[in-house]
Amino acid sequence: NAGVTQTPKFRILKIGQSMTLQCTQDMNHNYMYWYRQDPGMGLKLIYYSVGAGITDKGEVPNGYNVSRSTTEDFPLRLELAAPSQTSVYFCASSSPGTSGDTQYFGPGTRLTVL
Amino acid sequence: QQPVQSPQAVILREGEDAVINCSSSKALYSVHWYRQKHGEAPVFLMILLKGGEQKGHEKISASFNEKKQQSSLYLTASQLSYSGTYFCGTEMGASGGSYIPTFGRGTSLIVHP
Repeated sequence: NAGVTQTPKFRILKIGQSMTLQCTQDMNHNYMYWYRQDPGMGLKLIYYSVGAGITDKGEVPNGYNVSRSTTEDFPLRLELAAPSQTSVYFCASSSPGTSGDTQYFGPGTRLTVL
Repeated sequence: QQPVQSPQAVILREGEDAVINCSSSKALYSVHWYRQKHGEAPVFLMILLKGGEQKGHEKISASFNEKKQQSSLYLTASQLSYSGTYFCGTEMGASGGSYIPTFGRGTSLIVHP
């Protein structure tokens, strides 16, 4: 199993450009998440999905959109990139059950908006 | 509600012990602990469910006090490989309306030779 994969690993955007961060998991997890991590601030939840076709906002959803058409894929779309969106983005997946909920993280995408 | 972690940073010598705390103002269903090395993704260490259990993982263990709404991570006889940032993630479960975890700001642990 590859686990959770993310592409690209690095990206530089100009202000106002758009892009899609890709996330794929091969563990058949029903829950998927997008986080952003700024220095010293921990992980902030952007959006999450509890299954194909179902998405919901997290703590910091403004400026982002998501879709979940399949169990495996959970892309994150940035529209009109702003310098405040410079961050490291992590995708994660999990399968909550009676024994708890372990999150498996992808390697991250380092995004810089100039 | 973001859990509060303390201390913010710990500096140790190899072989010393450390305790990292995670507390919440809300009743908790579970607490997760993760370690993140610089430039890498967070890696799961352990999860504790309500019931006051304690778990161990090599020389790293954790406890969960449901009444006090807090968890502690114990690192004994620290090794250089323990260096990194430790995050706790908390879930409130059905009573709090959410199984989606919220993460603390992290505790930076540096182990020197």
